Amino acid sequence: EIVLTQSPTTMAASPGEKVTLNCLASSSVSYMNWYQQKSGASPKLWIYGTSNLASGVPNRFSGSGSGTSYSLTISSMEAEDVATYYCLQLSSYPPTFGGGTKLELK
Amino acid sequence: QIQLVQSGPELKKPGESVKISCKASGYTFTDYAMHWVKQAPGKGLKWMGWINTYTGKPTYADDFKGRFVFSLEASASTANLQISNLKNEDTATYFCARFSTVAHYYVMDAWGQGASVTVSS
Repeated sequence: EIVLTQSPTTMAASPGEKVTLNCLASSSVSYMNWYQQKSGASPKLWIYGTSNLASGVPNRFSGSGSGTSYSLTISSMEAEDVATYYCLQLSSYPPTFGGGTKLELK
Repeated sequence: QIQLVQSGPELKKPGESVKISCKASGYTFTDYAMHWVKQAPGKGLKWMGWINTYTGKPTYADDFKGRFVFSLEASASTANLQISNLKNEDTATYFCARFSTVAHYYVMDAWGQGASVTVSS
């Protein structure tokens, strides 16, 4: 089973600040998906195939990475981005989620 | 539009059973597998397994073999999760999620709103 380790576990960013969330895989994966989960809500597909934004996702978000190292970047933090972000790998069985990064507003 | 609507919150005692439903609409139910994901209070997401909605065959993650059963009511476009012999550690929100492909990438692209199960004596 591939273990996904997300860092940091929690972070706070100021409006306008650039934010980078990381996801490290224990073995190489072909691509990474990212999900946004706001408090009390279900997860939403946010980025798929490492770098493709899901429908409706603002273009201040981007994704990158390969092999064992992936990241989600917000070019300019906004209040609506407060949420927990999870990475999910589906290229190797079984599917596994990272532990999540909780993003707060400073 | 694609929707997955799950059943309401449940309060159960240890040793009891619970059945959670996930009703799909807006697409052909049997064309997409359904996955189940557990989220304990304040914790992250954990993949439980999936069910082939065409054949009805379930597949369980190792931690969810034994007391957990995935089933279908295909005529009603509904997937079910039944948990027997409930334990305190089963207290969680359970999500159903549609498994799909987008531009050749596997995704879980639609999620139910979650079904809360509380196990307490």
